[in-house]
Amino acid sequence: KNEVEQSPQNLTAQEGEFITINCSYSVGISALHWLQQHPGGGIVSLFMLSSGKKKHGRLIATINIQEKHSSLHITASHPRDSAVYICAVKSGSRLTFGEGTQLTVNP
Amino acid sequence: AAGVIQSPRHLIKEKRETATLKCYPIPRHDTVYWYQQGPGQDPQFLISFYEKMQSDKGSIPDRFSAQQFSDYHSELNMSSLELGDSALYFCASSLGLAGGYEQYFGPGTRLTVT
Repeated sequence: KNEVEQSPQNLTAQEGEFITINCSYSVGISALHWLQQHPGGGIVSLFMLSSGKKKHGRLIATINIQEKHSSLHITASHPRDSAVYICAVKSGSRLTFGEGTQLTVNP
Repeated sequence: AAGVIQSPRHLIKEKRETATLKCYPIPRHDTVYWYQQGPGQDPQFLISFYEKMQSDKGSIPDRFSAQQFSDYHSELNMSSLELGDSALYFCASSLGLAGGYEQYFGPGTRLTVT
C-alpha cells in the first residue's frame, strides 16, 4: 500500500462542474502539498497545508490531520484546469508523492 | 519573482556516458531537493542538501552523486548512465529544512539515455 493514495486516478468533467480530488496518507506529516503538473512536465505548487483550509481563486484545499485526509476542490472548472494534480506529503525534509489525478475538463 | 532554475532543460546522452544537472535555487533559499520522475511515474525523492551539507538521502543510485556549493546551487552528477535513468529530474528549493517551509519546484531537466 502506498504511503500516499489519491482518488480518482482519472477524472473527466464538463466545463463549469465542481471537482473534488481526494488524498489519504498513512504516515505522520508536517505538511501536505497540492501540486499541478502540465503535459510539458513543470510542477507548480498550488497549496501547502498543515491544518484547516486554504483558498486561492477557484481552488480550495482542506486537510483533516486526525483522519489523514486532504481534498482539493476546483469550482467552476475550466478546460485550462486540465492537468495532473498531485498530492505530496512532507515527512522530515522529503516529499512523498501520490500517483496523481489526471483531470480533463471538456468545453 | 525569481524561480528555481535548472539547466540544461533537455539532455540526450548515450549509455555509459556521464551527465551533470544543475539547479539554482531561489535567492536566499538554503535547501535544495532532487527528485526523479520516470515516464508515467510519480516523482521519487533522491537527495537533499541544507546549508551545503547532505540532509537526507532517498533512492539515489550509487552511480549518482550530488553536492551543494557555497552559492547554494546544486549539481547532480550521473555516471555510467543506463536506459532506465531516462526521466524528468526536478530540483526544488526552500527557505529552510523544517516542515513549515514550502518547496518550490524548477521546470525540470528531461534526460534521455539512448
